[in-house]
Amino acid sequence: AQTVTQSQPEMSVQEAETVTLSCTYDTSESDYYLFWYKQPPSRQMILVIRQEAYKQQNATENRFSVNFQKAAKSFSLKISDSQLGDAAMYFCAYRSASNQFYFGTGTSLTVIP
Amino acid sequence: DTGVSQDPRHKITKRGQNVTFRCDPISEHNRLYWYRQTLGQGPEFLTYFQNEAQLEKSRLLSDRFSAERPKGSFSTLEIQRTEQGDSAMYLCASSHGPVRNEQFFGPGTRLTVL
Repeated sequence: AQTVTQSQPEMSVQEAETVTLSCTYDTSESDYYLFWYKQPPSRQMILVIRQEAYKQQNATENRFSVNFQKAAKSFSLKISDSQLGDAAMYFCAYRSASNQFYFGTGTSLTVIP
Repeated sequence: DTGVSQDPRHKITKRGQNVTFRCDPISEHNRLYWYRQTLGQGPEFLTYFQNEAQLEKSRLLSDRFSAERPKGSFSTLEIQRTEQGDSAMYLCASSHGPVRNEQFFGPGTRLTVL
């Protein structure tokens, strides 16, 4: 079975600075999708960024970018120019070929003004 | 359409009672997922529908859990003979897969079993 590991339960960043959240996964599949989701306190989970495993180019969405290392099974999220609204729980997720999603345990990000 | 909706948002029940939750996905989405999330954990996959067909079920989904999506639109998740360990947030998500396959989540139903 696929597993997703987020080894940083909590992270903090100074406003306007850059932070990187780590994620590793275990799979024997070659074709899959990876996602980062954001869950603000008491609010719905929303998609931050997605990466197709067959694409070598790292995905970028405005201030959010990923470092996808397929051989190392690593998928980290970089947040640049951190804003107060970025404070949330961040979940890394893996979508298998059978369309099941597996989530990590999350990283709680605090943004310090 | 304003997104995925779930009803009720909160449910308190006594152990042994049955509960049913409803999820209304985004209207054009043919895929619907149910997850369970406990405090400090990520969502755990429970089951997945493509249209009205239930295609995948997690082993976490015991015999007390059943999900339906009779017309390929809204879905219900029923828990029979609830146990205290069932207390969790139950999340629903939908997607327009397979092209983009990103999931849109609902606000969740928080279940408390006393």
